Amino acid sequence: DVKVTQSSRYLVKRTGEKVFLECVQDMDHENMFWYRQDPGLGLRLIYFSYDVKMKEKGDIPEGYSVSREKKERFSLILESASTNQTSMYLCASSSGLAGFVHEQYFGPGTRLTVT
Amino acid sequence: GDSVTQMEGPVTLSEEAFLTINCTYTATGYPSLFWYVQYPGEGLQLLLKATKADDKGSNKGFEATYRKETTSFHLEKGSVQVSDSAVYFCALGGYQKVTFGTGTKLQVIP
Repeated sequence: DVKVTQSSRYLVKRTGEKVFLECVQDMDHENMFWYRQDPGLGLRLIYFSYDVKMKEKGDIPEGYSVSREKKERFSLILESASTNQTSMYLCASSSGLAGFVHEQYFGPGTRLTVT
Repeated sequence: GDSVTQMEGPVTLSEEAFLTINCTYTATGYPSLFWYVQYPGEGLQLLLKATKADDKGSNKGFEATYRKETTSFHLEKGSVQVSDSAVYFCALGGYQKVTFGTGTKLQVIP
């Protein structure tokens, strides 16, 4: 079974802190994704990566950056956390060469609260 | 651009009732179509998929058929159980992205 793990299930940070969310997948997938999920807004794509050191902006990249130094690991960074970044963050991975996305496998999510 | 529209929830059904959750899409090309399920406090799990027109995806008693002529991918189950209570997302996959619907919450009461 594909396994996608996220570093924390719950996280509480203060406004202005730098926050790192880590995601690791064990299926050698090319593509990895970061979403945030908010009530009434569904899933919104923040960033994705289709190869090591490659990244593309999603629909809401402002205030976030990402890093993919190894194929299995994709990190989401909040440079200076703000209260409007309080949300559920979901990481996903999928196979698919040349950027085509097949079914995605999701981690359990990190519920981030910024106070 | 690509988009997915699914029926508003919440949907409340009695156990053993028939379930339909409607999903329609707009897309260029020939996307793959998916249904995901999210149980409380968890991430999304793939429920079923279809990769080309007229394909039927099925899993755990759920079914959906890829209808290109009506651009639809409706989710059905003949007899729901309390354990099916969750949020269901329709999605389409293509080049470099997946487009999700907003989700439909299903509550099944005994």
